Amino acid sequence: DQQVKQNSPSLSVQEGRISILNCDYTNSMFDYFLWYKKYPAEGPTFLISISSIKDKNEDGRFTVFLNKSAKHLSLHIVPSQPGDSAVYFCAASAGGGADGLTFGKGTHLIIQP
Amino acid sequence: EPEVTQTPSHQVTQMGQEVILRCVPISNHLYFYWYRQILGQKVEFLVSFYNNEISEKSEIFDDQFSVERPDGSNFTLKIRSTKLEDSAMYFCASRRWVTGELFFGEGSRLTVL
Repeated sequence: DQQVKQNSPSLSVQEGRISILNCDYTNSMFDYFLWYKKYPAEGPTFLISISSIKDKNEDGRFTVFLNKSAKHLSLHIVPSQPGDSAVYFCAASAGGGADGLTFGKGTHLIIQP
Repeated sequence: EPEVTQTPSHQVTQMGQEVILRCVPISNHLYFYWYRQILGQKVEFLVSFYNNEISEKSEIFDDQFSVERPDGSNFTLKIRSTKLEDSAMYFCASRRWVTGELFFGEGSRLTVL
């Protein structure tokens, strides 16, 4: 049962353009969402998060949007840079206690020069 | 910058052997986790640990697995009798508070032959 879904295994974007990565979830108990970036042979690195009480969070070139009614979130990267090429994981937590994160399968973002 | 460190970076073992993967979480963190990623698949939650006991575990974390915090700094994952399907990248993670971002180590690659 995939509670967190990233339906695009890969995405190719030209340098300088906007990258939009999408994530859907099914568990209505999730109240905290995170995006992680992962390079090959490295551990996931935290990028940005959003609590369910907000619908947008911005940090530099990265913005995460949350649509609770649609159970959908997205990560926007503007402008996209070559160093952004990596696998991006969406993750969610139900909060309360020391809950683990539920990850999506990841989207491989490729920034083309 | 403080980081989560893991050893070994790669371990090759024979099926049926015991394996111990070691992690040193960030020093002031209180919540500890193990995740794994089988090649080509998503990052999966295994177990969370707080206050010297397991707080949550997934169905993957069966009786073959155990975790321990033998001293104030190390956090270990033991697999008693490894199976071929245990071959994966194992990530340790920690965080200071019950919610918020997880900090991941670079992973330990386990290859079971």
